[in-house]
Parts: sequence; structure tokens; C-alpha cells
Amino acid sequence: DAGITQSPRHKVTETGTPVTLRCHQTENHRYMYWYRQDPGHGLRLIHYSYGVKDTDKGEVSDGYSVSRSKTEDFLLTLESATSSQTSVYFCATRAGIAKNIQYFGAGTRLSVL
Amino acid sequence: AQSVTQPDIHITVSEGASLELRCNYSYGATPYLFWYVQSPGQGLQLLLKYFSGDTLVQGIKGFEAEFKRSQSSFNLRKPSVHWSDAAEYFCAVGVPYNTDKLIFGTGTRLQVFP
Repeated sequence: DAGITQSPRHKVTETGTPVTLRCHQTENHRYMYWYRQDPGHGLRLIHYSYGVKDTDKGEVSDGYSVSRSKTEDFLLTLESATSSQTSVYFCATRAGIAKNIQYFGAGTRLSVL
Repeated sequence: AQSVTQPDIHITVSEGASLELRCNYSYGATPYLFWYVQSPGQGLQLLLKYFSGDTLVQGIKGFEAEFKRSQSSFNLRKPSVHWSDAAEYFCAVGVPYNTDKLIFGTGTRLQVFP
């Protein structure tokens, strides 16, 4: 367990509004990830970070941006939310190189109306 | 590119019965393999992992999995299921030494009847 806190846990928003989800970790893990979980798709990687200010795109990055200004925080932003972004979002962390286990937060359920 | 298939979307078993959840992967070499469990409303918890060595791996909560290279499979087993095992189970594949891009299967939902 990597001491991962996701906030908010639930959010309802309207189409076209900006949304920011926060992931906070207390274990000083180097790598952080954002996934979305949808029925029939499992988990899909949105973006990940391999250090402060170092991020890269995942499989489903369109419509999302991320920022990591501190080791412990990884923010996921939907600049203009769409109904297709209704999903459950999970943050995960990994300690570092050669540490190959990802640990997951409890998730944020986002509904875009 | 690697991929993961969990052929069973939903499995129902009686409490006390044995369980096997299937996972097949596609990868050019031996990948890193993981099983995670997700209880309702919760995040994912690692059950077990395979990196190398003994092909039968033991995990938490009495689960085990066997890596079979010839079948490209990593099936999860439990000899006697408890009602608390009802959850969704995900198999995942990672590239050795670089597990940034885990590929998850679509999950198998386990229902346990008393």
C-alpha cells in the first residue's frame, strides 16, 4: 500500500466544465499513473509521470492533461469535460526502477452530464 | 504489443467450491504477470505476481496462480472460495523491468453463493 489518496472520491459535473482530480501519495514513489476504468475495457492508462515535471502519454490521453509539480501530487485535468469521460479514475504509484509493482488508490467516480 | 484476455466475464460459484479464473496473454517473451482484485467501491489490490522462477506462485488470501509458457496462460486458482472473495479480478501484463505500461484484461466478476 503506497498511502494513496484520491480526491474527490465522487464528482458530478456538466459537459464543457473543467475538472481536476488529485492524487496524493505519502511514500515518495517516483512513478505515478492515471487510469480510467470502463465496463468491458478494464483499466486503460491515460498519462503517467516518471518524476517531477516529467510526464508522458498513455493509451487514452486525448482530452486529458496532467501535472506533477511535487513528488507527492499528480493532477489529472479534463479541460472541457465530455460525457465520454464519465468513468472511474484510478491513480497508481510505483516506487522506482526495478520496483515493478503498481499500487492503486481507491478511485474517483466522475459523472459528466 | 502485449495484450491480455480474460475469457470469462462473470463466474458464479458456491461457497466452498474451487475456483479457476483464466488469463491468456500475448507477448513475444516472458512478461511480468499480475493478478489484482477489486472489491466493490474499492481500488485494486495486488493478489500475486510472477516475474521469473517457480511457475506456481502463491499470493494473499489463499490464492495461487500458475504460469504456463506453452499456453501463454496465468490462471488464478483457489481451492475453497469464501463469500468474501466476491469481487472483480483483473489479470495484467507488464514488460520486464519496465512496468510503466501495464496492460489489463477486461476483468472477471466473481459471484459467490452461500
